[in-house]
Amino acid sequence: EDKVVQSPLSLVVHEGDTVTLNCSYEVTNFRSLLWYKQEKKAPTFLFMLTSSGIEKKSGRLSSILDKKELSSILNITATQTGDSAIYLCAVKPNYGGSQGNLIFGKGTKLSVKP
Amino acid sequence: DGGITQSPKYLFRKEGQNVTLSCEQNLNHDAMYWYRQDPGQGLRLIYYSQIVNDFQKGDIAEGYSVSREKKESFPLTVTSAQKNPTAFYLCASSMFAGGFTEAFFGQGTRLTVV
Repeated sequence: EDKVVQSPLSLVVHEGDTVTLNCSYEVTNFRSLLWYKQEKKAPTFLFMLTSSGIEKKSGRLSSILDKKELSSILNITATQTGDSAIYLCAVKPNYGGSQGNLIFGKGTKLSVKP
Repeated sequence: DGGITQSPKYLFRKEGQNVTLSCEQNLNHDAMYWYRQDPGQGLRLIYYSQIVNDFQKGDIAEGYSVSREKKESFPLTVTSAQKNPTAFYLCASSMFAGGFTEAFFGQGTRLTVV
């Protein structure tokens, strides 16, 4: 059975800290891995990763995929209270040449204290 | 503004009632999805549709029904057969550009059984 596992499930840090969120997957015929941020309601898209070893960066956030280790990390540097959210990792598999639907992990709840 | 609109934001249902959650998008996206989110469970796929007049069951379709009569609309009915419907429901859509792209989410509907 395909699955995505995120760790830790929750994390509390102070402003200015750097955090690393982990996502590992067991998926037949991997196609891509996506990261989302969910603050109150709608998850918002952060990154899509398809190639191993290529870092995607947006401001203080960055992410990288390791296909050999079947995992990805999301780094947030100089955290701010506005980074407090649930961070969701999802994997899209290939099924028989057509794309499968997103398989989500349970999320990591990040709380940034002032 | 382009986006995905879900309504209502909050919905209360009596046991034994059917209720319908609305999802409309004006992004001209081909695919639409319904997810259920429970605390500590991540997002689980209920139904999805890649083209008009066609839809497929996701991982937890029992007790739910959908229709896709128009490209922009994908309503979800929670039937009385769904034994534990209290949850946060998210609708999403994605476009097809050589493969389905990342999903964009609506603001969600929180359903409570009273």
